[in-house]
Amino acid sequence: GENVEQHPSTLSVQEGDSAVIKCTYSDSASNYFPWYKQELGKRPQLIIDIRSNVGEKKDQRIAVTLNKTAKHFSLHITETQPEDSAVYFCAATYTGRRALTFGSGTRLQVQP
Amino acid sequence: DTAVSQTPKYLVTQMGNDKSIKCEQNLGHDTMYWYKQDSKKFLKIMFSYNNKELIINETVPNRFSPKSPDKAHLNLHINSLELGDSAVYFCASSGTGGLDTQYFGPGTRLTVL
Repeated sequence: GENVEQHPSTLSVQEGDSAVIKCTYSDSASNYFPWYKQELGKRPQLIIDIRSNVGEKKDQRIAVTLNKTAKHFSLHITETQPEDSAVYFCAATYTGRRALTFGSGTRLQVQP
Repeated sequence: DTAVSQTPKYLVTQMGNDKSIKCEQNLGHDTMYWYKQDSKKFLKIMFSYNNKELIINETVPNRFSPKSPDKAHLNLHINSLELGDSAVYFCASSGTGGLDTQYFGPGTRLTVL
């Protein structure tokens, strides 16, 4: 089955710096890669996703890149703010599977 | 106008008891899921349903029995609760096909004493 590895497990940055979180997946059939943000005690919420027919997608300060050959994808957050502090999860799935396989999560701390 | 709702939010119970968690979505989605998040924050799929039919059962003990009375509801019944069942259980829903955004419920924190 699919396996998703995520690094780093914790990341501390200064406000205004950039943060990068990386994930690798094992199943070459995977073609949908969402990223979720989970604040303490809250539900995971989608922040951005990418499908395998594109290599990069950007939404304001957040971008995701996908390298299908290497089977890895990354989340980039620029100009970080304290409210970006949360746990971020990458995930992967393929058409018809109807379940996400999540990475182990990255706890991002943005220091004011 | 809550999209995906779950009840109860907290559940504290003794080992050996039976308990249920309810989930409802008003998004008109065809697919619903149960995920388990353990104390280390790992999120893992338990079940997925499409149009009330079980699609995925990820090696979950048969003490866990999901039931979908209609497309908008997916309940989770747990028999003979064990200490290791303590976790946060999230319900989610999405459109058909699996590549649509999954919307999560607020979670149910289950504590087994």
